[in-house]
Amino acid sequence: NAGVMQNPRHLVRRRGQEARLRCSPMKGHSHVYWYRQLPEEGLKFMVYLQKENIIDESGMPKERFSAEFPKEGPSILRIQQVVRGDSAAYFCASSPSQFTDTQYFGPGTRLTVL
Amino acid sequence: KNEVEQSPQNLTAQEGEFITINCSYSVGISALHWLQQHPGGGIVSLFMLSSGKKKHGRLIATINIQEKHSSLHITASHPRDSAVYICAAPPGGGADGLTFGKGTHLIIQP
Repeated sequence: NAGVMQNPRHLVRRRGQEARLRCSPMKGHSHVYWYRQLPEEGLKFMVYLQKENIIDESGMPKERFSAEFPKEGPSILRIQQVVRGDSAAYFCASSPSQFTDTQYFGPGTRLTVL
Repeated sequence: KNEVEQSPQNLTAQEGEFITINCSYSVGISALHWLQQHPGGGIVSLFMLSSGKKKHGRLIATINIQEKHSSLHITASHPRDSAVYICAAPPGGGADGLTFGKGTHLIIQP
């Protein structure tokens, strides 16, 4: 049973470009969480999704950031018109049900904005 | 919103020592997570516990729901235990993502 997969592992973008981060949850998991870890800072919650639904996006910046988890395929975190401050490690986690289940973390995507 | 505090922030110990990392939170929760972040950045979920104690190898996690406090213990510590240990709790108020402590940077010297 493969774990949570994220790709790419490293992503370099220039200011103004778009970044797409993908997360494939563990088999049988329908709940996905995205977290961001800025340099020298702790992890912060961004968004919680179930298949085809955004449940809680209270941690998402209001502009340029969006997330989806379609019926088929991975969850996508999309950052439009990236700025240097978006440089961070982005982790996704999955669980079979709500947050009271153990969340299994992916290896993360390290985004560098030049 | 749940405030999650960890102590100590940094801990250096000798191989073989017994290690304790503490975590307190402000809002009553149903379960608390302990995570380990390796120097390479990967995150591993160590425990999720809602009461009492859990043990996995040399790691032991305890929680006191009434006192809103949890501890992570490492027995017979080893240099490979060197990592950042993070506790995380649901934020309360109906939101579903975890709120994280700032982490404890643990270094075990041979």
